[in-house]
Amino acid sequence: AQSVTQLGSHVSVSEGALVLLRCNYSSSVPPYLFWYVQYPNQGLQLLLKYTTGATLVKGINGFEAEFKKSETSFHLTKPSAHMSDAAEYFCAVSDSGGYSTLTFGKGTMLLVSP
Amino acid sequence: DGGITQSPKYLFRKEGQNVTLSCEQNLNHDAMYWYRQDPGQGLRLIYYSQIVNDFQKGDIAEGYSVSREKKESFPLTVTSAQKNPTAFYLCASSDAGGVGRETQYFGPGTRLLVL
Repeated sequence: AQSVTQLGSHVSVSEGALVLLRCNYSSSVPPYLFWYVQYPNQGLQLLLKYTTGATLVKGINGFEAEFKKSETSFHLTKPSAHMSDAAEYFCAVSDSGGYSTLTFGKGTMLLVSP
Repeated sequence: DGGITQSPKYLFRKEGQNVTLSCEQNLNHDAMYWYRQDPGQGLRLIYYSQIVNDFQKGDIAEGYSVSREKKESFPLTVTSAQKNPTAFYLCASSDAGGVGRETQYFGPGTRLLVL
């Protein structure tokens, strides 16, 4: 069975500071990994995903994530936070070994202060 | 504009009442999904459908039912058997593929409240 752990239900940064949101996964087969963002009272929007190939994945709004198999991690980063980045972020995993649904982490709320 | 619509935005349920949440997509996607979101719990899968007239239970299907009579529509009924229905409900769709790498596209959600 697959699972996702997001460390920290809330992360606070100052505008212009580095954003680091942590995600660790468990999967019995090579995983597919996703980061989604949710603004208040809205649906989720894909930021980026890793399927195969290059382990450093670039997404929208300046975010990127690196798949590290040895650490079973897929942390999300952005060099410089903007006020508009304040939202909830979800990491998700699916298995590559046949039909698989997404399993989501519990989410991390990113707070950005001026 | 292609996308997913959910209605209503807010829904109120009385004790013992069944209510139905609507989800429609015009993305020509084969697969559709229903999730429940509670604060601090992430998203949990209720039901999913890979093709018309077929659907499977997710992790928390008890107290819910679905139908998939048309490719573009996947309504969710919250029955009276669901004792704690207050939550934010999200519908999503994706190309079928079935190998787990497909991006899921989400609707704006329906917030269900109990009177």
